[in-house]
Amino acid sequence: DAGVIQSPRHEVTEMGQEVTLRCKPISGHNSLFWYRQTMMRGLELLIYFNNNVPIDDSGMPEDRFSAKMPNASFSTLKIQPSEPRDSAVYFCASSGRDPLFSGGYTFGSGTRLTVV
Amino acid sequence: GENVEQHPSTLSVQEGDSAVIKCTYSDSASNYFPWYKQELGKRPQLIIDIRSNVGEKKDQRIAVTLNKTAKHFSLHITETQPEDSAVYFCAPLGGSNYKLTFGKGTLLTVNP
Repeated sequence: DAGVIQSPRHEVTEMGQEVTLRCKPISGHNSLFWYRQTMMRGLELLIYFNNNVPIDDSGMPEDRFSAKMPNASFSTLKIQPSEPRDSAVYFCASSGRDPLFSGGYTFGSGTRLTVV
Repeated sequence: GENVEQHPSTLSVQEGDSAVIKCTYSDSASNYFPWYKQELGKRPQLIIDIRSNVGEKKDQRIAVTLNKTAKHFSLHITETQPEDSAVYFCAPLGGSNYKLTFGKGTLLTVNP
């Protein structure tokens, strides 16, 4: 298995532009998580899906952020419009239904987003 | 929700020494206790985990101990090496959901 695949690895965009981050979870994993990591705030859970359904989006900062999971093998995180304070590394992670029995979370390589 | 605290936030040791990082949590129903290692510029990766029916688990130079009564668990690294330098996160699993709550991380520096 190729693991959790994220794209792009790096994204530089101008303030106000739309940004779309993509994630392909490990085949057979039915939970998917989006995290944001910054020096100041650490690893923050933005949203998580189970069986393609959003379960908890309480970490989504504001209406500018949205996430979708149209099928079991693909998810997107969209920021529109982007702002400089959105600059961070965004990680996608996946796990089986119960991390206890599926070896915890597997993280993707992350997308480093810079908004100028 | 689960409140998770890690101590210390930074730890500097000499190569060969031992390092201990402690994690406290609030949800008494938590039943899974993993530790993740994140090297600079890399993704967090699971290095060891323990379930609530076990008090200690070892894997070569690393071990995790659990005290459910006191609601804390610790990561122990013996004979530290420079490649152990990284940020370590604890992430207990809440009892009522399948969501790991990550601590703020501990930056471990092993000086050669």
